[in-house]
Amino acid sequence: GESVGLHLPTLSVQEGDNSIINCAYSNSASDYFIWYKQESGKGPQFIIDIRSNMDKRQGQRVTVLLNKTVKHLSLQIAATQPGDSAVYFCAENSIQGAQKLVFGQGTRLTINP
Amino acid sequence: EPEVTQTPSHQVTQMGQEVILRCVPISNHLYFYWYRQILGQKVEFLVSFYNNEISEKSEIFDDQFSVERPDGSNFTLKIRSTKLEDSAMYFCASSGPAANEQFFGPGTRLTVL
Repeated sequence: GESVGLHLPTLSVQEGDNSIINCAYSNSASDYFIWYKQESGKGPQFIIDIRSNMDKRQGQRVTVLLNKTVKHLSLQIAATQPGDSAVYFCAENSIQGAQKLVFGQGTRLTINP
Repeated sequence: EPEVTQTPSHQVTQMGQEVILRCVPISNHLYFYWYRQILGQKVEFLVSFYNNEISEKSEIFDDQFSVERPDGSNFTLKIRSTKLEDSAMYFCASSGPAANEQFFGPGTRLTVL
C-alpha cells in the first residue's frame, strides 16, 4: 500500500457539500499560483490559476482566493462530486524569469456518498 | 485536446543501469520540464528546458541526469547510473510561449532494484 513518505493532510466531505482546501506558500516573490488535482496514478491536472494582482478568481465550481499578506492560498470547490476525490496541490511560480513550479505538500480530498 | 504523452508508463531497472524516459510535449509548446514525485510525497522540480538548452535545474538534477530534445517532437530525461533513491514517478510537462500554465503528462514510474 501507499504508506511511505509524508502523511498528507486529509479532508473528507459529504457529496454535495462545499470544500475548502488551504495552502501556505513560501516565496513572497512568487506572483503566479496554480491549483492542481492529482488522481491516483495520474499526472497533475490544472484546475485554476491566479496572479498576484488579484485576490479572487472563479471557475466552474471552483474559486481560488489569494491572501498575499499572510501568503495563503485556498481552493473552494462547490457542490462536491465523487469525481472530485483526489490529492490537491497548490504550486507557486514567478511570471518573470524562472519557470519552475514549487509544489506544496498536497491535501487528500475524499468525497463521501 | 492536445496532451503530453510519456513512455514507458513503468520502467524497472537494476541499480547502476542507465535509463531514458521519453516525453512528447504538446506540439506548439516551447518550454519543457521534468518533475519527479517520490511515492507519497510532493512533486519536485528537476529541470526546465527552453530554446534547446537548460534554463534552470534543481539540486536534485546532478551530473547523473541529462535532458535532450533529439528531434522536433521528443524530450528525454536520461539517468546515467541509477540509484535506489531514483525510484519515483517522473512527470514531463510543457507550456506555451505566453502562458505559465504547465500541462503534465501521465508520468513514468521508475523502479530501481
